[in-house]
Amino acid sequence: DQQVKQNSPSLSVQEGRISILNCDYTNSMFDYFLWYKKYPAEGPTFLISISSIKDKNEDGRFTVFLNKSAKHLSLHIVPSQPGDSAVYFCAASMDTGRRALTFGSGTRLQVQP
Amino acid sequence: DAGITQSPRHKVTETGTPVTLRCHQTENHRYMYWYRQDPGHGLRLIHYSYGVKDTDKGEVSDGYSVSRSKTEDFLLTLESATSSQTSVYFCATGGDTYEQYFGPGTRLTVT
Repeated sequence: DQQVKQNSPSLSVQEGRISILNCDYTNSMFDYFLWYKKYPAEGPTFLISISSIKDKNEDGRFTVFLNKSAKHLSLHIVPSQPGDSAVYFCAASMDTGRRALTFGSGTRLQVQP
Repeated sequence: DAGITQSPRHKVTETGTPVTLRCHQTENHRYMYWYRQDPGHGLRLIHYSYGVKDTDKGEVSDGYSVSRSKTEDFLLTLESATSSQTSVYFCATGGDTYEQYFGPGTRLTVT
């Protein structure tokens, strides 16, 4: 049973518009959430994170929103650029000492020029 | 970037043969992880290490073993490879925060 779900396998947006990637989780023990970006034939790279004590975190064009009551988080990219085309993974962790991440299945974002 | 390398980057092996994948880091991170990536599953944790000679199982550990004799090296061994272990394997490291840093991956094909 997947504890972290990304229900949209793919998303296509126009350059300059907003990209919104969604993620849902089921385990209320998760207290830290991360987004990773992955290009083909490369490892995932860390993008942005948010602690469960916050509801928003911003870093340049990237903003992550967390709705704990709905167990939902989203990543907003504004404005979207062709270089943002990649697979985006949502991940969650809990403070059990091992710091392992539980990943969603990913969303492939394509930004059209 | 945590300075993580993986070797080999690609490997084709036959069913029943042993395979060892190596992860090397230069950042002195305490935590090291092995994940596998398969279509529709994202990345799933195989094993992890929280210090030299301290390792534990992840969610998909059957058929895999690990060893960590030095801070910088974390080895993943498939004792007897099966076709279901065909996958892309990623090593990751982590320090004092939740963020993990990933290596470039090893594509393993078991025929």
